[in-house]
Amino acid sequence: QKEVEQNSGPLSVPEGAIASLNCTYSDRGSQSFFWYRQYSGKSPELIMSIYSNGDKEDGRFTAQLNKASQYVSLLIRDSQPSDSATYLCAARRGGTSYGKLTFGQGTILTVHP
Amino acid sequence: GAGVSQSPSNKVTEKGKDVELRCDPISGHTALYWYRQSLGQGLEFLIYFQGNSAPDKSGLPSDRFSAERTGGSVSTLTIQRTQQEDSAVYLCASSLFSEAEAFFGQGTRLTVV
Repeated sequence: QKEVEQNSGPLSVPEGAIASLNCTYSDRGSQSFFWYRQYSGKSPELIMSIYSNGDKEDGRFTAQLNKASQYVSLLIRDSQPSDSATYLCAARRGGTSYGKLTFGQGTILTVHP
Repeated sequence: GAGVSQSPSNKVTEKGKDVELRCDPISGHTALYWYRQSLGQGLEFLIYFQGNSAPDKSGLPSDRFSAERTGGSVSTLTIQRTQQEDSAVYLCASSLFSEAEAFFGQGTRLTVV
């Protein structure tokens, strides 16, 4: 079992729709979670971080965390063609010795006009 | 600096040569991470520094790979006797402390011929 798993995709949504990206993690000691966006040929760019159960909203993006279910999601409202990218979920245990970010394989999102 | 800076941006080397990749983190960031990404693949963790120490170097693929960090700032990843399978984009990230959000540099594309 991979430590961080993402829905395999690719995911295709029409412009203006809601894109839903999902991620599960196996390490119950994970404390913090991150979503990155990576355009082809570019490095990952941080979109959202979430540390507590519940929802966190930032503009068109909402991250959701459920530690009991070991589940993290990212919702993108009013999707735009410029949102087309690979989305990476990452989990971290935290603490000085456990700072490593563990990434999922990514979900490719395509937003078509 | 404003962001994580990596150099060189691109490096072409002959098989068997040694290479050094440099990462200059965001000023004041105590945690630093190295990852690599092969074409079309996910992010593979290499090593994590907290200050000048490396609490987790579990991802270094072989003893040909080493990394150091000096002055709690710049880090160098060294690959000795490069092999073709070392060809990848090497990404560096830094965070203010081990639980904080991590930001990536633009990467170094290494090609071993």
